[in-house]
Amino acid sequence: AQSVSQHNHHVILSEAASLELGCNYSYGGTVNLFWYVQYPGQHLQLLLKYFSGDPLVKGIKGFEAEFIKSKFSFNLRKPSVQWSDTAEYFCAVKGGSWGKLQFGAGTQVVVTP
Amino acid sequence: NAGVTQTPKFQVLKTGQSMTLQCAQDMNHEYMSWYRQDPGMGLRLIHYSVGAGITDQGEVPNGYNVSRSTTEDFPLRLLSAAPSQTSVYFCASSEAGRRNTEAFFGQGTRLTVV
Repeated sequence: AQSVSQHNHHVILSEAASLELGCNYSYGGTVNLFWYVQYPGQHLQLLLKYFSGDPLVKGIKGFEAEFIKSKFSFNLRKPSVQWSDTAEYFCAVKGGSWGKLQFGAGTQVVVTP
Repeated sequence: NAGVTQTPKFQVLKTGQSMTLQCAQDMNHEYMSWYRQDPGMGLRLIHYSVGAGITDQGEVPNGYNVSRSTTEDFPLRLLSAAPSQTSVYFCASSEAGRRNTEAFFGQGTRLTVV
């Protein structure tokens, strides 16, 4: 069974700081990888996804993620965060049973002005 | 362009009551699923369906029932609510379970069982 591990549960940053959130998964075959964001009181929104090709993917709102197959990782980055990036971020993996998404526990990010 | 619609948005139940959370999608997606979100645990799969008439259990199915009579609708039933079912519930849909597709989520239902 696949599993997804997110390295940090809570991150507190100041505006303009850089953000990197770690995500590792356990499945050894072909995978689809996702980062979702949930702003306070809202539903999940897709930030970015990786299906194949260039392992560096760019998403909305200046976020990007890098797929490193050898490390089973899909880390999320943003060079300069804003207060509006305060949210919970979820890494998710789909592989093998292609309908099922396996989520990480989430990382709560708080950006202070 | 509604996407995935969940109702209600909020619900308070007493222990032992039953209720149905509604989910509808207008994208003609074959694959639909229900997740529950609890602090520190991410989203966990309750039940899923790969098409009308076909459902299967996910990671945490106990206490929940589903059916899929149409492509559009995938209701989740709580047969006898328990405080442990206090959670936020999300419905999702995607094209037939295969690679290189993304899931679309509803707005969520916040359920409190007292």
